[in-house]
Amino acid sequence: EPEVTQTPSHQVTQMGQEVILRCVPISNHLYFYWYRQILGQKVEFLVSFYNNEISEKSEIFDDQFSVERPDGSNFTLKIRSTKLEDSAMYFCASTVERGTHNEQFFGPGTRLTVL
Amino acid sequence: AQSVSQHNHHVILSEAASLELGCNYSYGGTVNLFWYVQYPGQHLQLLLKYFSGDPLVKGIKGFEAEFIKSKFSFNLRKPSVQWSDTAEYFCAVINITSGTYKYIFGTGTRLKVLA
Repeated sequence: EPEVTQTPSHQVTQMGQEVILRCVPISNHLYFYWYRQILGQKVEFLVSFYNNEISEKSEIFDDQFSVERPDGSNFTLKIRSTKLEDSAMYFCASTVERGTHNEQFFGPGTRLTVL
Repeated sequence: AQSVSQHNHHVILSEAASLELGCNYSYGGTVNLFWYVQYPGQHLQLLLKYFSGDPLVKGIKGFEAEFIKSKFSFNLRKPSVQWSDTAEYFCAVINITSGTYKYIFGTGTRLKVLA
């Protein structure tokens, strides 16, 4: 069964460093998402992406964040200058369509630790 | 603002007890509804989903949920829990009518089942 994959599973970085989190969505999916979950808190929407453009972004997704689909298979989330509060689990998700049936398929997540 | 409420933050049950976890959302219109489970250290796993039709939906592992539109609720139930059901449970809603397709997650309910 096709699945969303994410690399790395765990990333440790120093405050102020740039990180890139990678996701490979399911191959025929067209809509892509990033969510994050700070330890002990709920899962929060960051950004959605379709047709090489951001469709929607949350207040969390400020200028330090960017997303890209560089090669037609990978979907990346970049944090330019990490802060301690960026420490969280980051989940990628994808879906084939948007309409009345909108199940998103989640990857296993990348745990980002900012020291 | 759109919100999803899970009133039970921590639930402790003995094995074989019945479970009901509440989920309410704050807006009308057409919605897609989901329950996810997150076992310790693992990623989100879909338990069940509601798009339309029969408001009583059955999911994996013996879980079911009932959509009550008039109450804006989608409560999760299981007649007899097992120790292995110890996990965190998240309700999620997509507000189709709003034209955005992001998941809005509830704050989660931590379930501990005592053997």
